[in-house]
Amino acid sequence: ELKVEQNPLFLSMQEGKNYTIYCNYSTTSDRLYWYRQDPGKSLESLFVLLSNGAVKQEGRLMASLDTKARLSTLHITAAVHDLSATYFCAVPPSNPGNQFYFGTGTSLTVIP
Amino acid sequence: NAGVTQTPKFQVLKTGQSMTLQCAQDMNHNSMYWYRQDPGMGLRLIYYSASEGTTDKGEVPNGYNVSRLNKREFSLRLESAAPSQTSVYFCASRDYLGGDTQYFGPGTRLTVL
Repeated sequence: ELKVEQNPLFLSMQEGKNYTIYCNYSTTSDRLYWYRQDPGKSLESLFVLLSNGAVKQEGRLMASLDTKARLSTLHITAAVHDLSATYFCAVPPSNPGNQFYFGTGTSLTVIP
Repeated sequence: NAGVTQTPKFQVLKTGQSMTLQCAQDMNHNSMYWYRQDPGMGLRLIYYSASEGTTDKGEVPNGYNVSRLNKREFSLRLESAAPSQTSVYFCASRDYLGGDTQYFGPGTRLTVL
């Protein structure tokens, strides 16, 4: 059974601080996805990482993927209140690559 | 361009009742998905359709059936609802060729009494 683990599950941080969310997975996959979900809303795609060593940045968020370590990180730089949300990673196993397994999410609260 | 739409937005059922959740996308995507989201458990895949005419089971298919009516529409049916099916249901479509992004619908909040 494929497992996708996120750490931490809950994160409370002050504005202006940096932090990293980790996503580990237990099977072979060559890609990984990050999503954001606001309370009571749907999911919004943040990053699609399509190969080993992929790094993508958007504003204060930067995501990276190490397929050999089966690890992705989502780094938050100088957090602001607007980043408060739940963040999910999702992994499709390489064979056949059609199913997606989601982590349990990291609930981020940025405190002014 | 509406993206992914779902109906209904909210539904309350009694145990044993049946219902169909509807999903449609106007982005010409081949792949579509049904997920359920429960508190503290992230999203779990119920069924998916990699292309028109095909459907496959996901992680939690028991108690559900699906129909890929055409390229645009992918419905999820609960034949005999149970309280354990109380959840928020999301439909998604996948833009595999254009960056491999999943686009999610607004969700259906289902309560089974």
